[in-house]
Amino acid sequence: GAGVSQTPSNKVTEKGKYVELRCDPISGHTALYWYRQSLGQGPEFLIYFQGTGAADDSGLPNDRFFAVRPEGSVSTLKIQRTERGDSAMYLCASSLIVGGEAFFGQGTRLTVV
Amino acid sequence: GENVEQHPSTLSVQEGDSAVIKCTYSDSASNYFPWYKQELGKRPQLIIDIRSNVGEKKDQRIAVTLNKTAKHFSLHITETQPEDSAVYFCAAKDGAVGFKTIFGAGTRLFVKA
Repeated sequence: GAGVSQTPSNKVTEKGKYVELRCDPISGHTALYWYRQSLGQGPEFLIYFQGTGAADDSGLPNDRFFAVRPEGSVSTLKIQRTERGDSAMYLCASSLIVGGEAFFGQGTRLTVV
Repeated sequence: GENVEQHPSTLSVQEGDSAVIKCTYSDSASNYFPWYKQELGKRPQLIIDIRSNVGEKKDQRIAVTLNKTAKHFSLHITETQPEDSAVYFCAAKDGAVGFKTIFGAGTRLFVKA
């Protein structure tokens, strides 16, 4: 596609529910990154993929968070038992090569009520 | 791991003046330093980057300097225009191995016409 696409753009969920956030990277980009951005803060690294494998998941805050990229393209960030503190903008980015210029999607704004 | 500090948090300048944003990083092995511009409600966009083998890089009205010894890098915007108003984030790639990028907290730049 022309750019990184994230769906949904907005998600409101109840505390305790499960959510999935989707990221479609730029076609051909091998690296994919997930970040979380709270209001007034910089993006906080969560995880990045090189191809299908999670190369570094050290930013995932706890075991309620999980991400997959089964075919090396689309990625899904999964959050179980959501908490109000999970409310944030979730940003995905991709780069042609790992470490290259990263292009961000518009993000998914998650609100847990 | 890497830690990035960014100053100031808010910067207000008159149109035509210069703006300087400063960042420090903690991991001497970091070797890639991108700067992103984020307008309200939009995705972060890369505006300039610098690698550790270069001391300075310029692109029209934007320049970035890097001092590896002191572990700090700066963004310089000359002849500021109202459309430069945005939040600017510095970032550092965490270490020589891997591609986790750590962001600063951001600087909100206001350019007054």
